[in-house]
Amino acid sequence: ILNVEQSPQSLHVQEGDSTNFTCSFPSSNFYALHWYRWETAKSPEALFVMTLNGDEKKKGRISATLNTKEGYSYLYIKGSQPEDSATYLCALASNTGNQFYFGTGTSLTVIP
Amino acid sequence: NAGVMQNPRHLVRRRGQEARLRCSPMKGHSHVYWYRQLPEEGLKFMVYLQKENIIDESGMPKERFSAEFPKEGPSILRIQQVVRGDSAAYFCASSGPGETQYFGPGTRLLVL
Repeated sequence: ILNVEQSPQSLHVQEGDSTNFTCSFPSSNFYALHWYRWETAKSPEALFVMTLNGDEKKKGRISATLNTKEGYSYLYIKGSQPEDSATYLCALASNTGNQFYFGTGTSLTVIP
Repeated sequence: NAGVMQNPRHLVRRRGQEARLRCSPMKGHSHVYWYRQLPEEGLKFMVYLQKENIIDESGMPKERFSAEFPKEGPSILRIQQVVRGDSAAYFCASSGPGETQYFGPGTRLLVL
């Protein structure tokens, strides 16, 4: 079992603020790092897959970076909106990429 | 292209009964994963299956839980003699080999 940690556990920001949170993972056996967005009463929705050290992905106001050597990924949200409120999960895919280890998530609440 | 389907969405069982949870993967996906989310906890991997094969069941409780993914039909997660501690949300995900996992809406099991 690989330990994937996310911080902070929860975050409250004002609408318009930019924010970021962290996913830490053991750097050995790395295959890919996945970010998911999980809204209450829905299923996790894939945001990004990153595989290479230094990868940076962007989707609208959300972006993510990856450092496989030191074992972390950052997720950034620029100009947070209430609809960004959700739990953001990261998952480490190891070995062949089929085994996923999820962090416990960062719960983001954007206050209008 | 329908997404991952799970049924039932909600299931209520009395202690000692059996629970059967079904998951139909996305079209073209041959890999199925089951996760459990206990109250106040994150997603925990249970089992990874391909058609007619269990690839990794390291997250499955040793007793009462079983999973299958037959050649035809959905994947089934079966919980025998349910106890109150089995109450949780059970999520299924599917993927192609080494690809992003797409999640179903989950089955919320309540054991009375």
